[in-house]
Amino acid sequence: DAGVIQSPRHEVTEMGQEVTLRCKPISGHDYLFWYRQTMMRGLELLIYFNNNVPIDDSGMPEDRFSAKMPNASFSTLKIQPSEPRDSAVYFCASSLAARPQHFGDGTRLSIL
Amino acid sequence: TQLLEQSPQFLSIQEGENLTVYCNSSSVFSSLQWYRQEPGEGPVLLVTVVTGGEVKKLKRLTFQFGDARKDSSLHITAAQPGDTGLYLCAGESFGNEKLTFGTGTRLTIIP
Repeated sequence: DAGVIQSPRHEVTEMGQEVTLRCKPISGHDYLFWYRQTMMRGLELLIYFNNNVPIDDSGMPEDRFSAKMPNASFSTLKIQPSEPRDSAVYFCASSLAARPQHFGDGTRLSIL
Repeated sequence: TQLLEQSPQFLSIQEGENLTVYCNSSSVFSSLQWYRQEPGEGPVLLVTVVTGGEVKKLKRLTFQFGDARKDSSLHITAAQPGDTGLYLCAGESFGNEKLTFGTGTRLTIIP
């Protein structure tokens, strides 16, 4: 079975550009989570959805970040405008009934 | 804010040795999970402990949930190079689907 699929795997862009990260959860899963991982702060939850509805976005750092889940098989995390401090590895995870979470392999984002 | 502190932060030992990694918090959790993450990949769930005092074994790995549900430990017997990776504990709060991840322990097993 296919796991959580994230794209792109790597993204390098200049400060000020819009960045869109994509995630395809495991089919049938009803929860989707977006995380950010850095050496300094570890793995932080940004936002999560249940049945395509955002439940908690308290981890979203600021208004430059937005996330959508238009249907059960697709979600996006957008940063506009991007800043160098947004550089991190971004993970998407999905689960059935919230546990356990299955993680994708992440998108390594570098903002120059 | 719930915090999960892991210790040690880094650990490098010889193949065949035993080791213990700790995960501590001042908060109570409904369950605690342990993940292992390898470079370029996402975390992979190893085990979930739910009951205070619970002990679970996964081959050479032994996981324990503290009686007060605030802490956990991971013990590895006869470590092997394949055990190398970043170990993360994660606590689940009561009535909340969110996970709070620990600070991580980066383990290196030297052949």
